[in-house]
Amino acid sequence: GAVVSQHPSWVICKSGTSVKIECRSLDFQATTMFWYRQFPKQSLMLMATSNEGSKATYEQGVEKDKFLINHASLTLSTLTVTSAHPEDSSFYICSAETGHTDTQYFGPGTRLTVL
Amino acid sequence: EDKVVQSPLSLVVHEGDTVTLNCSYEVTNFRSLLWYKQEKKAPTFLFMLTSSGIEKKSGRLSSILDKKELFSILNITATQTGDSAIYLCAVANYRMDSSYKLIFGSGTRLLVRP
Repeated sequence: GAVVSQHPSWVICKSGTSVKIECRSLDFQATTMFWYRQFPKQSLMLMATSNEGSKATYEQGVEKDKFLINHASLTLSTLTVTSAHPEDSSFYICSAETGHTDTQYFGPGTRLTVL
Repeated sequence: EDKVVQSPLSLVVHEGDTVTLNCSYEVTNFRSLLWYKQEKKAPTFLFMLTSSGIEKKSGRLSSILDKKELFSILNITATQTGDSAIYLCAVANYRMDSSYKLIFGSGTRLLVRP
């Protein structure tokens, strides 16, 4: 149980384009989903917390207009990287919680490369 | 500033050895401490600890929390090559709106040689 999927697993795009990443909880309903970014050999950094039906809460230093988050249902949250630039290249991981504990279940991640 | 520090940063052992990974934290409004194992992609959940002195155990892995000294350890006995991974420690802290966030350490990279 508690499986989280992400799509796509990797994406390469040109500078200036937008990329959408989907995060789905497959066997449970997730009232809260989280989006993280991980640079090589570094730990996970929380970007934003996404609650179903409401606006996402962004961490300090994360541009909300650049990283658009939508949490339209209890099983789906999307992250759109708008006007991507090479410095946005990173590993993006989502997680979801069941709401009963602090345990977050992570998706497999999406590796974004911006040329 | 809230921080979670893991040590060692990396560790190389031989199969059968026992390892101890450390996690210390300075976090306001502590809520819980979690251990994850990250292999190639997503971290997988190992343990969540909320109370001091109560050991959590799963097979060859065990973990304990000391809320007075602000640290946790993760023990792996009789290590196997499949234990090779990055082990992440994260602390959940309460926020003003009663939500929480996970603050991750930089991880310990464990390599188990046959």
